[in-house]
Amino acid sequence: NAGVMQNPRHLVRRRGQEARLRCSPMKGHSHVYWYRQLPEEGLKFMVYLQKENIIDESGMPKERFSAEFPKEGPSILRIQQVVRGDSAAYFCASSPQGFTEAFFGQGTRLTVV
Amino acid sequence: EDKVVQSPLSLVVHEGDTVTLNCSYEVTNFRSLLWYKQEKKAPTFLFMLTSSGIEKKSGRLSSILDKKELFSILNITATQTGDSAIYLCAVQKDTGNQFYFGTGTSLTVIP
Repeated sequence: NAGVMQNPRHLVRRRGQEARLRCSPMKGHSHVYWYRQLPEEGLKFMVYLQKENIIDESGMPKERFSAEFPKEGPSILRIQQVVRGDSAAYFCASSPQGFTEAFFGQGTRLTVV
Repeated sequence: EDKVVQSPLSLVVHEGDTVTLNCSYEVTNFRSLLWYKQEKKAPTFLFMLTSSGIEKKSGRLSSILDKKELFSILNITATQTGDSAIYLCAVQKDTGNQFYFGTGTSLTVIP
């Protein structure tokens, strides 16, 4: 049973470009969470999704950021018109149901130049 | 405002030492507290605690929760260099399903 798979592992974008981060949850997991980790800071919650539904996006910036978890395929975190401040590690986690432990992927390290 | 505070921020010990990491929290509608270990990659799950006073144990690691005093500790006995990592504490609330993380304790174990 493969773990949570994130790709790419590293992503470099120029300011103004779009970044698309992918997350395939563990088999049998229908709950996906996205977190952002800045240097010297803890993991900050961004969004919680179930298949085809955004359950809680209270941690997402209001502009430029969006997330989806379609019926088929991975969850996608999309950042439009990236700025230097978006440079961070983005982690995805999944769980089989609510209120259980979540398992994390290896993260995508986004660098905006 | 919900808070999860870990202490110390960093710790350097010698192999064989025992360490205690602390996590205190102030959240409304507390449901559970989780510990993760993060090396230079994905945080890996260690423990999930929901009940006060019941110790969870895995090898040299153990953890306990005090819901009255709002804290948890993670103990590591007979530390090894492979224990060097950042240890993260997270709290899950009854409302919503996200985890609120502390900033972590960076543990370095010297041979």
